[in-house]
Amino acid sequence: KNQVEQSPQSLIILEGKNCTLQCNYTVSPFSNLRWYKQDTGRGPVSLTIMTFSENTKSNGRYTATLDADTKQSSLHITASQLSDSASYICVVSDFGNEKLTFGTGTRLTIIP
Amino acid sequence: DARVTQTPRHKVTEMGQEVTMRCQPILGHNTVFWYRQTMMQGLELLAYFRNRAPLDDSGMPKDRFSAEMPDATLATLKIQPSEPRDSAVYFCASGRGTGGSEQYFGPGTRLTVT
Repeated sequence: KNQVEQSPQSLIILEGKNCTLQCNYTVSPFSNLRWYKQDTGRGPVSLTIMTFSENTKSNGRYTATLDADTKQSSLHITASQLSDSASYICVVSDFGNEKLTFGTGTRLTIIP
Repeated sequence: DARVTQTPRHKVTEMGQEVTMRCQPILGHNTVFWYRQTMMQGLELLAYFRNRAPLDDSGMPKDRFSAEMPDATLATLKIQPSEPRDSAVYFCASGRGTGGSEQYFGPGTRLTVT
């Protein structure tokens, strides 16, 4: 069964600090891995999409990495801001269709 | 700024009542997804359509849930009869229908069944 596991479940950091969120997956065959940001009361919004051949992708202060051999990904947030407080969801797509397997997310809280 | 729209945003209903949720996908998107999100399970795919045809509804309880696309601008998700365990946030997402394409989520419908 395809699975996506994220850690930590929750994280609290001070504004301005960096943090890294982790994602491990067992989806096979692999097509792409996405990181979504979900603010409270809103739908998820895509941050990055990476295919098998990509091992890093940035979107502003967000940098995602992918190791397809070990089936691991990370999302690094630099110089955190209060607006980064949200849930971050790792999502993996298997090859050939649009069906996504979602992780349960990391709840990030930035405190001033 | 094109967005997926969903109505209603909130719905409170009594057990046994019919619930209909609506979604307007982004114009030009040919794939529509319905998801359910709960604290315990996270996001789960219920069904999805391409060019208005259902491709997969294996995530839906067939006895009470139904999903349709009457036209390219409207997708509906119905629950009849509703049960307390259906309480969740239901998201619609749309995309352009290729394996690596982006999915754009709507704001969701928060359903509470008492």
